[in-house]
Amino acid sequence: AQSVTQLGSHVSVSEGALVLLRCNYSSSVPPYLFWYVQYPNQGLQLLLKYTSAATLVKGINGFEAEFKKSETSFHLTKPSAHMSDAAEYFCAVIPNFGNEKLTFGTGTRLTIIP
Amino acid sequence: DAGVIQSPRHEVTEMGQEVTLRCKPISGHDYLFWYRQTMMRGLELLIYFNNNVPIDDSGMPEDRFSAKMPNASFSTLKIQPSEPRDSAVYFCASSLDRMNTEAFFGQGTRLTVV
Repeated sequence: AQSVTQLGSHVSVSEGALVLLRCNYSSSVPPYLFWYVQYPNQGLQLLLKYTSAATLVKGINGFEAEFKKSETSFHLTKPSAHMSDAAEYFCAVIPNFGNEKLTFGTGTRLTIIP
Repeated sequence: DAGVIQSPRHEVTEMGQEVTLRCKPISGHDYLFWYRQTMMRGLELLIYFNNNVPIDDSGMPEDRFSAKMPNASFSTLKIQPSEPRDSAVYFCASSLDRMNTEAFFGQGTRLTVV
């Protein structure tokens, strides 16, 4: 079954520092990959998605992610963290054919240090 | 569009009682998903529908859980009888179609079973 693994349930970075949240997928065929963000007491919101087009994907709020087939990774980055980036981030996967089951990783809570 | 609407936002019930959670997806969306979120298990896909038809209910934890989608604008998730371990936040999400796979989430229903 398709799945994603997020390394690090908690990540803390200083304001202005680089944000790097890790996600690896398990699939022999490149799936569709997503990053979602969840703010406290809210539902999830899409940050960006990879659907077999450009390997470097840009999303909202200055985030981007690079699909690396050789590493089966889809890490999320942002050059300069802002206080408003504090939230929980989820990597998610859908097989690119077969079914439409959107499956999430366990999430990474990002804390921004002033 | 007002987005995905879930009701109620909060529900507190006694063990053994029936609980019904409601969801109105975004108009025109063909897919509807029900998720459960807990600290221990993260985000779990319970069931999803395509054009009102249940496609995959393998995530439904047990027979106490049931979900219906009588029409394109309404879905319910029912727990009968409820147990304390069902306490969680339940999210409904909808997406347009298989290729445009961004899922839009409701704000969730926080269920507490005492």
